[in-house]
Amino acid sequence: AQSVAQPEDQVNVAEGNPLTVKCTYSVSGNPYLFWYVQYPNRGLQFLLKYITGDNLVKGSYGFEAEFNKSQTSFHLKKPSALVSDSALYFCAVRDDSSASKIIFGSGTRLSIRP
Amino acid sequence: SAVISQKPSRDICQRGTSLTIQCQVDSQVTMMFWYRQQPGQSLTLIATANQGSEATYESGFVIDKFPISRPNLTFSTLTVSNMSPEDSSIYLCSVRANTGELFFGEGSRLTVL
Repeated sequence: AQSVAQPEDQVNVAEGNPLTVKCTYSVSGNPYLFWYVQYPNRGLQFLLKYITGDNLVKGSYGFEAEFNKSQTSFHLKKPSALVSDSALYFCAVRDDSSASKIIFGSGTRLSIRP
Repeated sequence: SAVISQKPSRDICQRGTSLTIQCQVDSQVTMMFWYRQQPGQSLTLIATANQGSEATYESGFVIDKFPISRPNLTFSTLTVSNMSPEDSSIYLCSVRANTGELFFGEGSRLTVL
């Protein structure tokens, strides 16, 4: 069975500071990992993914994530936060079988103060 | 990326009634997925809708409560039947790209009184 955990309900960061949103996962095979963002009253927008290759993945809006196999983590990062980054962020995972469904974490609310 | 349109975007319904949500995709896709996002919660997969076959429901979701249609490769509907206030949620349609990620519609926000 696969699972994903986001240990922080909320992360607060000052504008201009680096941000990290944590995610850990558990899958039986090779992981496919994703980050999504949800702005108020909107659907989910895809940010980035890791399937294979470089452990550091770059995505939309200046976000990046680092895949760490030994720690089973896929933390989302950004070097300099913007107020407009304030939103709900979801980590998601599936294993590499074709029939596998994508499981979402509980979400982390990111709040960037001016 | 796929463009996914959902209708209605929001609705307020009375207890005991049913509502059908439509999902239209701008390209042909094999699998479409219906998720529920309850207030303040994460996403839970309701079912996978495959064209030409019965939908596959996840544990805790049944066809009588959430019937799904998938008449062609670009369209699906989800009906929420005999609604109660506990059904108040955002219902999201999604499709999976060939590269593995999901793309979502804007969601249908349902409030049941």
